[in-house]
Amino acid sequence: AQRVTQPEKLLSVFKGAPVELKCNYSYSGSPELFWYVQYSRQRLQLLLRHISRESIKGFTADLNKGETSFHLKKPFAQEEDSAMYYCALSGREYGNKLVFGAGTILRVKS
Amino acid sequence: NAGVTQTPKFQVLKTGQSMTLQCAQDMNHEYMSWYRQDPGMGLRLIHYSVGAGITDQGEVPNGYNVSRSTTEDFPLRLLSAAPSQTSVYFCASRGEGAGNTIYFGEGSWLTVV
Repeated sequence: AQRVTQPEKLLSVFKGAPVELKCNYSYSGSPELFWYVQYSRQRLQLLLRHISRESIKGFTADLNKGETSFHLKKPFAQEEDSAMYYCALSGREYGNKLVFGAGTILRVKS
Repeated sequence: NAGVTQTPKFQVLKTGQSMTLQCAQDMNHEYMSWYRQDPGMGLRLIHYSVGAGITDQGEVPNGYNVSRSTTEDFPLRLLSAAPSQTSVYFCASRGEGAGNTIYFGEGSWLTVV
């Protein structure tokens, strides 16, 4: 079965501090992992996905198949990073359905 | 380019009433889906469709119906609204292939009293 776990409901950091949002997954096959961000009362937007291996707004995420993790990292948090972050998983074995974790609220304090 | 459009944005329903949330996309995407977003639960998949005439259940399908008569439209029907269906609903679409980005609508805030 597909499952995504985000263990932290809320992560609060000071501006300039490093950020790591945790994501672990369960999947039988070759998954595709994503991070989506939702700013206050806005639609979800794709932040990044593992196949792109890119950095968006200073965020990076590396797929670790051994630990089944896809943690989101940023070296220096900014106030505008405050938002809800969702880790998501998709895979051909399950009809390419996109399954989300419960989400983590990131609060960056000044 | 409108992307994914959902209506209505806000709705209040009485218990037992029925209603339809509309979703349309203009990107010729085959894959469309409906999610509900609840605090602490993330986004849960209600129903999805991989093309016109094809629909399937997600994680939480009870109390909801969908149909996909055209590629563009994927309405979500609440048959007999219950307070447990108070939520924010998001429609999403994606082109063919697992690597394609999913695009979300702006959300529909539904309250059942």
